[in-house]
Amino acid sequence: DAKTTQPTSMDCAEGRAANLPCNHSTISGNEYVYWYRQIHSQGPQYIIHGLKNNETNEMASLIITEDRKSSTLILPHATLRDTAVYYCIVLNTGNQFYFGTGTSLTVIP
Amino acid sequence: ETGVTQTPRHLVMGMTNKKSLKCEQHLGHNAMYWYKQSAKKPLELMFVYSLEERVENNSVPSRFSPECPNSSHLFLHLHTLQPEDSALYLCASSQVWNRGGNTIYFGEGSWLTVV
Repeated sequence: DAKTTQPTSMDCAEGRAANLPCNHSTISGNEYVYWYRQIHSQGPQYIIHGLKNNETNEMASLIITEDRKSSTLILPHATLRDTAVYYCIVLNTGNQFYFGTGTSLTVIP
Repeated sequence: ETGVTQTPRHLVMGMTNKKSLKCEQHLGHNAMYWYKQSAKKPLELMFVYSLEERVENNSVPSRFSPECPNSSHLFLHLHTLQPEDSALYLCASSQVWNRGGNTIYFGEGSWLTVV
C-alpha cells in the first residue's frame, strides 16, 4: 500500500491560503489521492480527490506533482472553522481507506 | 448532513452489558465500514462489508460483532467490553470501486464509554 507522510502540525493566519503538503512517493499509477478533514469530535469530512490532474472544488484545490510523488491541498482563504486535522490518503487497490495521523491545522485570528 | 446516520450518538455501558450501535446510509451505496478512533490515535478500520458480505475483519476481538442485514444498514453488536474499548465509533459508506475513484462518507460517530 502506498504510504503518506504529512507534517504533524501547521499554523495559518485567518484569511490567508493554507497549503498542506503530502508525500506519497510509492504511489502506483491507478491509485487516487484523497483528502479528508476531521474537526474535533466529528466524523471525517471528504474534501477532494484526484488521480493525475489538479482538481478544484468549492472547498479546496488539489495540486499533484507530475511524478505523482507528492501533492498539496490548498484552502484559498482559511477561516477559523477550517481548524481541523487534515488527512491525505492514497486509496489502495483493495479499495480500503487507511488513515494516518494527518496534519493538525490551526487557523490563527 | 452526510447521508450517513449513526445512533446513538452517546452510549455508556457496563462491562457486562450488551448493546448495539446502528448505522443507516441514504446514499444508495453498497459498501459499509466500521472504524474505531481512540483518544489521540488514528482511525482504525475494523470491518468492511461489500455487497452485504463481510470482506475485511482487521483482527477485531470477538466482543465486537458486526451485522449487515442489507446495503443500507449496519450494526455493531457489543458485549462484555473492556474500559479500553471506550472510543468514537465511526460508520461510513461508499460505492464499490468505480472508475473515477470512490469516496467514503462518514457519519458523525457514536461515543462509547465503558464503565
